[in-house]
Amino acid sequence: GAVVSQHPSRVICKSGTSVKIECRSLDFQATTMFWYRQFPKQSLMLMATSNEGSKATYEQGVEKDKFLINHASLTLSTLTVTSAHPEDSSFYICSGDRVHFGSGTRLTVV
Amino acid sequence: AQSVTQPDIHITVSEGASLELRCNYSYGATPYLFWYVQSPGQGLQLLLKYFSGDTLVQGIKGFEAEFKRSQSSFNLRKPSVHWSDAAEYFCAVGLYGGSQGNLIFGKGTKLSVKP
Repeated sequence: GAVVSQHPSRVICKSGTSVKIECRSLDFQATTMFWYRQFPKQSLMLMATSNEGSKATYEQGVEKDKFLINHASLTLSTLTVTSAHPEDSSFYICSGDRVHFGSGTRLTVV
Repeated sequence: AQSVTQPDIHITVSEGASLELRCNYSYGATPYLFWYVQSPGQGLQLLLKYFSGDTLVQGIKGFEAEFKRSQSSFNLRKPSVHWSDAAEYFCAVGLYGGSQGNLIFGKGTKLSVKP
């Protein structure tokens, strides 16, 4: 079946630096990729929807300039957390559809 | 606005006992409902989904769920819980049918299994 590969699984970065998270659809063409964020003991909240070849759609309250999304091809979507701060520490998960999710990225900003 | 409520934050059951996880939704149109399981530090795995038709849906790992429109509920059940079922369970509603579109998730229910 279709697989979404997400990397890295864990990353620790210093405050002020940027971190890129990649999601690849391995055997299907993902014209859309959903990016979710999960705080500890909380549910998944949709951050943004990336669209291949066009601008991403961000949910209310999500800073576009902080969470840069690129979806340059049908198999790759990236989320870059720019100028990361400790409050950005969270679990980020991508999904190409409602069935297939990436394994998630645990981001810790120190 | 659409929402999903999972009233139980944490449930503990004995291995071999039956399980029911509650889920209520608020949505004005026909809901597309999902249950997912998440092991610690992992992504989500789809257990089952309801789009239309038979209101009792069978899923993987021996799980089933029943859609009750009159109660706006989609409770997840399993007749006999195994220790490996310990995980976090999320109910979700999709705004559109099919496999596309984002989801609105409940806050999850953590399941612990006693030996």
